[in-house]
Amino acid sequence: DTAVSQTPKYLVTQMGNDKSIKCEQNLGHDTMYWYKQDSKKFLKIMFSYNNKELIINETVPNRFSPKSPDKAHLNLHINSLELGDSAVYFCASSQVSGGGGNTIYFGEGSWLTVV
Amino acid sequence: TQLLEQSPQFLSIQEGENLTVYCNSSSVFSSLQWYRQEPGEGPVLLVTVVTGGEVKKLKRLTFQFGDARKDSSLHITAAQPGDTGLYLCAAPSNSGYALNFGKGTSLLVTP
Repeated sequence: DTAVSQTPKYLVTQMGNDKSIKCEQNLGHDTMYWYKQDSKKFLKIMFSYNNKELIINETVPNRFSPKSPDKAHLNLHINSLELGDSAVYFCASSQVSGGGGNTIYFGEGSWLTVV
Repeated sequence: TQLLEQSPQFLSIQEGENLTVYCNSSSVFSSLQWYRQEPGEGPVLLVTVVTGGEVKKLKRLTFQFGDARKDSSLHITAAQPGDTGLYLCAAPSNSGYALNFGKGTSLLVTP
């Protein structure tokens, strides 16, 4: 039973399109995240939500819009996709916010390729 | 954003060898974590260290947190092909609401 699941796992799309990635966690956690991992494997925080409220937006372009309908779901919508958006996007969750040694549980990633 | 510098960036060794990877920063952290990421998967937590000088062991893996809580090391004894993966250190962000990651050490252990 997958703890953090995200769909789709693979997505190939053309520049200018709009796409969404969905994420669900069944761990009962209060905090969810979106991380972006680039081609050099650098994992960078994009957004953090606690109980459906946005608490971190790491200067991500406003083409990226997260939506949290409830604390078990955090979806990512991307408008007007650009080549530089190609990356692996990881959804994650933790019981409380990620500082203080709390474990963050990651999904398997969504591999986005913009052509 | 605090920088976590990991070294080496890449490491290719044969089965049975020992290795150490490092995570360094100029910032002091309340805690530091190590994650391992296998190809096609998300990172998975290996260990959390919270006390300066702390040493934790996980089978053949030994983790140490620096006395000043600015750096950490991961030592693997008698590496096996199953140890292959990307090793990431992570520490709380300034805000405390997320983890910041180092750029990782990519380890390949060949039979």
